[in-house]
Amino acid sequence: AQTVTQSQPEMSVQEAETVTLSCTYDTSESDYYLFWYKQPPSRQMILVIRQEAYKQQNATENRFSVNFQKAAKSFSLKISDSQLGDAAMYFCAYRSANYGGATNKLIFGTGTLLAVQP
Amino acid sequence: DVKVTQSSRYLVKRTGEKVFLECVQDMDHENMFWYRQDPGLGLRLIYFSYDVKMKEKGDIPEGYSVSREKKERFSLILESASTNQTSMYLCASSLKEFGGASRTEAFFGQGTRLTVV
Repeated sequence: AQTVTQSQPEMSVQEAETVTLSCTYDTSESDYYLFWYKQPPSRQMILVIRQEAYKQQNATENRFSVNFQKAAKSFSLKISDSQLGDAAMYFCAYRSANYGGATNKLIFGTGTLLAVQP
Repeated sequence: DVKVTQSSRYLVKRTGEKVFLECVQDMDHENMFWYRQDPGLGLRLIYFSYDVKMKEKGDIPEGYSVSREKKERFSLILESASTNQTSMYLCASSLKEFGGASRTEAFFGQGTRLTVV
């Protein structure tokens, strides 16, 4: 069974600085998707960034980028130029790329609570 | 704009009551999910459905059941609510096929915070 581990329950960063959130996962599959979701105090989960395992190039979305190390099963999120609005709970998630049924589910880590200091 | 709507943001129920949490999506998604979120435990899958009337147990199905009579609606049922079911409940939906990375995303409702007293 696949598992996702986030070892940092809480992180803090100064406004305008850069922070990296860690995520490791375990799977025997070769094809899958990885995600970072953000959950602000409003509780609405928002997709931040996704990575396809078959792509070697790291995904980037504006100030958010990932460091995907497939062999090490590591998927960290880097937030550059941190803003007050980045304060939230961040979840790493895994989804199999195999078709259908139980493989469609998202498997989540336990989350990292990010505080942004002004 | 895509939307997953949960019927209540906050709910308070008494021990032993039968509780219904409703979720509706307007994106014609095949997959729908119910997760439970607790501090330090992340999101844990209770049940999911990949088609109308089809369901599968997730990681923590005990004490819960689900119903999916229409594609857009997925209901979570607590047959006899207990205090250890006090939690945040999140509904999500996603497409079934894999037509590219943009189709793999799951969309979430705003969550229902359930308190059982």
